[in-house]
Amino acid sequence: GAGVSQSPRYKVAKRGQDVALRCDPISGHVSLFWYQQALGQGPEFLTYFQNEAQLDKSGLPSDRFFAERPEGSVSTLKIQRTQQEDSAVYLCASSQDGNQPQHFGDGTRLSIL
Amino acid sequence: EDQVTQSPEALRLQEGESSSLNCSYTVSGLRGLFWYRQDPGKGPEFLFTLYSAGEEKEKERLKATLTKKESFLHITAPKPEDSATYLCAVPLDTGRRALTFGSGTRLQVQP
Repeated sequence: GAGVSQSPRYKVAKRGQDVALRCDPISGHVSLFWYQQALGQGPEFLTYFQNEAQLDKSGLPSDRFFAERPEGSVSTLKIQRTQQEDSAVYLCASSQDGNQPQHFGDGTRLSIL
Repeated sequence: EDQVTQSPEALRLQEGESSSLNCSYTVSGLRGLFWYRQDPGKGPEFLFTLYSAGEEKEKERLKATLTKKESFLHITAPKPEDSATYLCAVPLDTGRRALTFGSGTRLQVQP
């Protein structure tokens, strides 16, 4: 597709379950970013990849959050032992390189019950 | 600490009533300021990048300007379809690629 694709669009999980969120970036985009967006707030940075290398993971809120991009294209954000405060929209963005504008997917809305 | 502040939080305009949204920032060594539009249930849509004070960019009814401390998004003769949340963002400190976003301005344009 032409844009960033995220799946699933909605995810409901019980507290304590593990979840995996997928991001398909724009073809050829080297840089990939994950953000978390709470209701009524701007996105907050989680982690950044350049190709398969995770260059910045300073925004990951705890060691329950893990991201990977093993072949430098598709990325997965995994959250282990989910908690209610993990409920948010998780946005993925990609760019041609780190300095170019980031283009966002429509996000995954995660609800933890 | 780097900060991005947007005002007002919400703005209601009548169709055709021009106005401006503000984004002020405190970041050392600005490496670009980005404006995005976000519709409900959607991801942010890229609008503009501004790199230096005095720079201006236009797209349809929108014009973005930049000074050393803030950016303005001017909306001329808005239409109901311009209703959305407008977000501004700057890259974090030198050497990092991540964006720091403001909380956005929720714009509602009434017919």
